[in-house]
Amino acid sequence: NAGVTQTPKFRVLKTGQSMTLLCAQDMNHEYMYWYRQDPGMGLRLIHYSVGEGTTAKGEVPDGYNVSRLKKQNFLLGLESAAPSQTSVYFCASRWGVTGELFFGEGSRLTVL
Amino acid sequence: GENVEQHPSTLSVQEGDSAVIKCTYSDSASNYFPWYKQELGKRPQLIIDIRSNVGEKKDQRIAVTLNKTAKHFSLHITETQPEDSAVYFCAASMGGTSYGKLTFGQGTILTVHP
Repeated sequence: NAGVTQTPKFRVLKTGQSMTLLCAQDMNHEYMYWYRQDPGMGLRLIHYSVGEGTTAKGEVPDGYNVSRLKKQNFLLGLESAAPSQTSVYFCASRWGVTGELFFGEGSRLTVL
Repeated sequence: GENVEQHPSTLSVQEGDSAVIKCTYSDSASNYFPWYKQELGKRPQLIIDIRSNVGEKKDQRIAVTLNKTAKHFSLHITETQPEDSAVYFCAASMGGTSYGKLTFGQGTILTVHP
């Protein structure tokens, strides 16, 4: 039972490049979330999904897109990376609307 | 939307002392308040949570209190140990009406000196 797995764990991009972060969970969770963590700002919600085939915007969605074609996977895409997107990205999932939120190990992205 | 303010941003205590971290929230519809601990370089992990129909909850050395009228909640750690050193985040959610979205505070860096 791997829990929540994120790939890649580290990535360096140049401004304007694109990339996709993959989140996979093996707990049959309905709800999945992408957060970014920046010093002194806590965790801010980028996008979320309440089930397979659904996505919705969170607090800071600009510059990101997501897809959830399969229940176990939640992809976060950056179409044209900017230095302001340098951050640590965390995927999280849970079965219901309350209770423990299970986080992945995080993906550290640097945009030069 | 919901706004969560957390204080202090840093907290330094001696081993054995108590530590208190406070959070305020803005939306009176919030009904679920978890606390997460994040060790250096690791993922956040849930340590305790409280729902709006409860005023206090304890789990060994940690406790959380909730004051719905004032819209604030606090984390209390007693008999602190060096392994309690971490970043602590409070969060608030409106549960089903917000699809379980959590709004996090800015975090508190707790350092416990041996």
